[in-house]
Amino acid sequence: AQSVTQLDSQVPVFEEAPVELRCNYSSSVSVYLFWYVQYPNQGLQLLLKYLSGSTLVKGINGFEAEFNKSQTSFHLRKPSVHISDTAEYFCAVSDLGTGTASKLTFGTGTRLQVTL
Amino acid sequence: GAVVSQHPSRVICKSGTSVKIECRSLDFQATTMFWYRQFPKQSLMLMATSNEGSKATYEQGVEKDKFLINHASLTLSTLTVTSAHPEDSSFYICSATRANQPQHFGDGTRLSIL
Repeated sequence: AQSVTQLDSQVPVFEEAPVELRCNYSSSVSVYLFWYVQYPNQGLQLLLKYLSGSTLVKGINGFEAEFNKSQTSFHLRKPSVHISDTAEYFCAVSDLGTGTASKLTFGTGTRLQVTL
Repeated sequence: GAVVSQHPSRVICKSGTSVKIECRSLDFQATTMFWYRQFPKQSLMLMATSNEGSKATYEQGVEKDKFLINHASLTLSTLTVTSAHPEDSSFYICSATRANQPQHFGDGTRLSIL
C-alpha cells in the first residue's frame, strides 16, 4: 500500500515569487509519481510525471519537480508564479509493478493562492 | 493531449431519483476507467475501477448496488447513482487510461440531491 503526504494545505504567495509545494510518499515498492492541478469545478489536469530516468522532471505551465528517492519526496516548484496558477494541486503515486494504468493514491491537496 | 468528456457537468434532482453520469474518452481507447468522489476541499477518493467488458472492482466501503458502473465499450463508462439521497451529493470525477499511460480526467459532475 502507498500513502502520500502533502504537508501544506494552503500556500499563499505573491505574483512573480517562487513557490514550492511539498509532497512526500510512502511505499514498500517502487512507484510512479504525478502532480495534477485542479481549477474550480473542473477535473484534474496532469502537470508532470516521473516514471524513470532523470530525477528532475519538467512539466507544463513552467512547473518542475524533483524526485528524491532517499527522502521519498517529489516537491513541485515554479520560479515565478502567475495569478492564473491559483488552483488546487494534488500529488499522487501509483504502483510501478502494475504499470501506469494502475490506480492512483492521492495526497490531500495544496491550495496555491497567488495574489498581487 | 488526451480528452475525456464527462456528462452532465451538473445535475440537481429529487431524493429517490436515479442519476446516470457518462464518461467518454474521445481520442483514445480506454481499457480502464476510474470513478472518484470528491467532497468539498478534500482529495479524490477512488470508488471503483472499471475495465472494459468486465465487472467493476469497488473499493472497500463503496456500495456496488448503490453505484452501478458499466463499461460497455473502450470509449464509454457510466456511473449510475441509484435511489440517490442527499448524502450522495458530491463531485464525481472519472478518468480514463490504457496501459503505460497516465490517467486523463473528465471535468467532473456536480450532483446535488434535494
